[in-house]
Amino acid sequence: QQPVQSPQAVILREGEDAVINCSSSKALYSVHWYRQKHGEAPVFLMILLKGGEQKGHDKISASFNEKKQQSSLYLTASQLSYSGTYFCGTETLNTGFQKLVFGTGTRLLVSP
Amino acid sequence: GAGVSQSPSNKVTEKGKDVELRCDPISGHTALYWYRQSLGQGLEFLIYFQGNSAPDKSGLPSDRFSAERTGGSVSTLTIQRTQQEDSAVYLCASSLEVAGVAETQYFGPGTRLLVL
Repeated sequence: QQPVQSPQAVILREGEDAVINCSSSKALYSVHWYRQKHGEAPVFLMILLKGGEQKGHDKISASFNEKKQQSSLYLTASQLSYSGTYFCGTETLNTGFQKLVFGTGTRLLVSP
Repeated sequence: GAGVSQSPSNKVTEKGKDVELRCDPISGHTALYWYRQSLGQGLEFLIYFQGNSAPDKSGLPSDRFSAERTGGSVSTLTIQRTQQEDSAVYLCASSLEVAGVAETQYFGPGTRLLVL
């Protein structure tokens, strides 16, 4: 049931773009994205709901493909502050509403 | 207002001892979650409290783990007869409860547990 994230890790230079994917074997109701910096708690980025619009703020956006049971997080013109581990949390009918199953994470390092 | 708080921030214990970890959710949040995060790993769901409903304990790894939530607010995660593999960061999160959709979870700073 755990969603699969890809890639597992990515290294970028400041200003480059990245895409992080989250795939589920179950039909998705919502996908939540969080970022966790080393030694800190995860921080919410955005929620994507089934049938909802693509979300985004600043240079981070995400899409939700219901057919593919997949969500993608887009990081454009990356900044040093984007470094951290990105987790997707999925809500499915199987897991029950309001309960998220988190992926294994994608480690992102943005270098100067 | 204050965010989610957890105590202690760090706990070192000997194998076989019991430990209690505390979580104070954001005021007004009726949903509360416990997760475990081993070094370099993802978030492993442990237990979920939702209002007055029976908790979802499906993620508890063994009967040594238990949790309760008193008065719909503070929660305590108890690990009995700790083992070295219990060493991890234990994260608590809370959220509003809205029918039909998962709301944003706000995480506490975690309790780092080390079992020697």
